[in-house]
Amino acid sequence: DAGVIQSPRHEVTEMGQEVTLRCKPISGHDYLFWYRQTMMRGLELLIYFNNNVPIDDSGMPEDRFSAKMPNASFSTLKIQPSEPRDSAVYFCASSLDPASTDTQYFGPGTRLTVL
Amino acid sequence: AQKVTQAQTEISVVEKEDVTLDCVYETRDTTYYLFWYKQPPSGELVFLIRRNSFDEQNEISGRYSWNFQKSTSSFNFTITASQVVDSAVYFCALSELTGANNLFFGTGTRLTVIP
Repeated sequence: DAGVIQSPRHEVTEMGQEVTLRCKPISGHDYLFWYRQTMMRGLELLIYFNNNVPIDDSGMPEDRFSAKMPNASFSTLKIQPSEPRDSAVYFCASSLDPASTDTQYFGPGTRLTVL
Repeated sequence: AQKVTQAQTEISVVEKEDVTLDCVYETRDTTYYLFWYKQPPSGELVFLIRRNSFDEQNEISGRYSWNFQKSTSSFNFTITASQVVDSAVYFCALSELTGANNLFFGTGTRLTVIP
């Protein structure tokens, strides 16, 4: 059974460029989460979706960040324009209903470097 | 407000020693879940255990064991007979059933097992 898939695994871009990170959740999972990991702030939730609908985006840093989930098997996190302080590892995770015995399963992450 | 504290930033042990990683949490919810994740040098986040607030039984899985004590709001993780492959950053996390369904992570404990 395939886990959460993220692409690209590494992204190097220049300040001001648009960056799109992609995620394919585990099939059948109703929840999808985007996290960011930095040395300064650790792991923090950016946004999460339930049944493709954004539920809580209070963690999105600013308007330069946007996330979409057009269908149950695909989500994107876009940064436009990117800035050096956006450099981090971005994780996508998915899970079943939280009331179940399941947990969040994480993808391998995308390491973003903005020069 | 919810909070997870991992006071130990870094721990070093010699192979075959036992080591305990501490986790203290804060929440106002009566129903919540606690987790441990492992992040090896390769960077992925590996799920280790999930515990709900109604189950205070200690759990053992091979060399790993977990001690959940609601009275002290702690969920500590012990590795017995540590091995070099245990070297990683370990994160404790909290999820509340009410409100946002997301993981609140501690800052992590970096464990180094010296051969």
